[in-house]
Amino acid sequence: EPEVTQTPSHQVTQMGQEVILRCVPISNHLYFYWYRQILGQKVEFLVSFYNNEISEKSEIFDDQFSVERPDGSNFTLKIRSTKLEDSAMYFCASRVSGGLAFFGQGTRLTVV
Amino acid sequence: AQTVTQSQPEMSVQEAETVTLSCTYDTSENNYYLFWYKQPPSRQMILVIRQEAYKQQNATENRFSVNFQKAAKSFSLKISDSQLGDTAMYFCAFMPTSGTYKYIFGTGTRLKVLA
Repeated sequence: EPEVTQTPSHQVTQMGQEVILRCVPISNHLYFYWYRQILGQKVEFLVSFYNNEISEKSEIFDDQFSVERPDGSNFTLKIRSTKLEDSAMYFCASRVSGGLAFFGQGTRLTVV
Repeated sequence: AQTVTQSQPEMSVQEAETVTLSCTYDTSENNYYLFWYKQPPSRQMILVIRQEAYKQQNATENRFSVNFQKAAKSFSLKISDSQLGDTAMYFCAFMPTSGTYKYIFGTGTRLKVLA
């Protein structure tokens, strides 16, 4: 069964450092998402991406966040200058047009 | 704004018994999907069951079934013959079939199955 793959599974970074979370969506999918889950809280929408541009972003997705599809397979989330409160589980998801999303297994980001 | 509410932060059930997790949602959309996801300690999101709003028949997946009441905007999950492996966090989620198709999650119910 096709799956969305996220790397790394766990990343520890120093406060103020830049971090890039990587996702490989399912190959024929065209719509991509990032969600965030702070420990003990609900999963929250960050951003949706289609046709090489952001289609929607939440209030959480401020100027320190950016997304990119640098090649035909990867979809990345960059956090420019990490804060302690960025510590969370980050989920990537992808879907085809009109279809349901498939979620990756998540990347646990710990900012120290 | 669309919202999903799970009013039971924690529940417990004896092994082999049946438990029902509640979820209500608010939307003005007519077409949408509803989901229940299971999140074990690994924090991976595992799809348990889904329901399309235009289908009146309640979805069933083995021991898992839903009670979908569209007019009441209610979507509860029933787990029959509970197993120790069902212990996890359960999230209810809503996805409109318009716009960006983003998912909106509830706050979760922590289910513990007791031996």
